[in-house]
Amino acid sequence: GAGVSQSPRYKVAKRGQDVALRCDPISGHVSLFWYQQALGQGPEFLTYFQNEAQLDKSGLPSDRFFAERPEGSVSTLKIQRTQQEDSAVYLCASSLTGSANTGELFFGEGSRLTVL
Amino acid sequence: SQQGEEDPQALSIQEGENATMNCSYKTSINNLQWYRQNSGRGLVHLILIRSNEREKHSGRLRVTLDTSKKSSSLLITASRAADTASYFCPFRGQAGTALIFGKGTTLSVSS
Repeated sequence: GAGVSQSPRYKVAKRGQDVALRCDPISGHVSLFWYQQALGQGPEFLTYFQNEAQLDKSGLPSDRFFAERPEGSVSTLKIQRTQQEDSAVYLCASSLTGSANTGELFFGEGSRLTVL
Repeated sequence: SQQGEEDPQALSIQEGENATMNCSYKTSINNLQWYRQNSGRGLVHLILIRSNEREKHSGRLRVTLDTSKKSSSLLITASRAADTASYFCPFRGQAGTALIFGKGTTLSVSS
């Protein structure tokens, strides 16, 4: 596709439900990142993939958060037993280079999660 | 903290005026990037300046970099209402880690 695609754009979950957020990066992009953005804040790093390898998951806030990119393309961020504090916009970004921090990031529009 | 700081946190100007926002960082860099985020949207890359460059222009944007002071500035000339957005200058934390974003500068341009 022309850009990074994220789905769903909006998700409302009851506390305790599991959710899965999908990211379809730009074709051929090596690196994929997930960020969490609370209202009025900047994006906070969650995890980073280089192809199918998850090289850094230091930003995942708890073991309820899990991300995968099994074929080095589409990625899924899964949140188990959602809590109200998980309410945020989840942003996915991809980069052509394998570098974690020197390439230009292309962001999707985000998935807004609201946990009731 | 490894986080950089964008300054000011908020800026309100009239259309046609220039907007200047600043960014400081704490670690060494290969390059520094600026991003824009319109309300409710994803971030968009604006410009990248390499560590051996001091100034770079792109349309109405001018970016400067002072590696001795670990600071950068973004100037938007002849601002438009469409420039209303948050602006970020993420930077590298430790080697091999992803870009770190601060809270950004929220720019409001009124017509």
